[in-house]
Amino acid sequence: GAGVSQSPRYKVAKRGQDVALRCDPISGHVSLFWYQQALGQGPEFLTYFQNEAQLDKSGLPSDRFFAERPEGSVSTLKIQRTQQEDSAVYLCASSLDRASYEQYFGPGTRLTVT
Amino acid sequence: DAKTTQPTSMDCAEGRAANLPCNHSTISGNEYVYWYRQIHSQGPQYIIHGLKNNETNEMASLIITEDRKSSTLILPHATLRDTAVYYCIVSTVYNFNKFYFGSGTKLNVKP
Repeated sequence: GAGVSQSPRYKVAKRGQDVALRCDPISGHVSLFWYQQALGQGPEFLTYFQNEAQLDKSGLPSDRFFAERPEGSVSTLKIQRTQQEDSAVYLCASSLDRASYEQYFGPGTRLTVT
Repeated sequence: DAKTTQPTSMDCAEGRAANLPCNHSTISGNEYVYWYRQIHSQGPQYIIHGLKNNETNEMASLIITEDRKSSTLILPHATLRDTAVYYCIVSTVYNFNKFYFGSGTKLNVKP
């Protein structure tokens, strides 16, 4: 079956531009996570949704980062006024529910800010 | 805020067992040990998890010490396709399994 998909796979933005990254989770999965992975580092938690509710946004690095999941399925991570330090791979993961041990990850979106 | 400690890198000969250690001395009673791996340019992939008993599946075995302060992931017959970064994570469902990945161990399987 279809896994988690993310688009675009690659995004180049000029500093100061706004970007929107999309995540399509596995159908029926309640939980959705966003992670940021800098080059050579492990993924770092950004935010968590249970259905449409954003239950934890403690990992968002600044108020320029905003995530939504309005209908409890597709999610969008938006970064306003991008900075060079935002360059990273943004990973989305979904799981069946909050107690699930397995998170299914998408391939990520590589964002490069020039 | 990673709660685990892993070696930065390890080498393993193809066909031999790969034993990847992890220290999690501050693990709490309701936290599970999870192992994920990330092959270059892909998202992380679940391998195995356990609470206190040893676990085995088609991919690997997980050995957890009796005091639960450390664990070892065993890949019984490593292949070149097992070359990846392996992450040991401790987490609880009471925090909806918010994972702290740390830096992981880069396993290099050599022919």
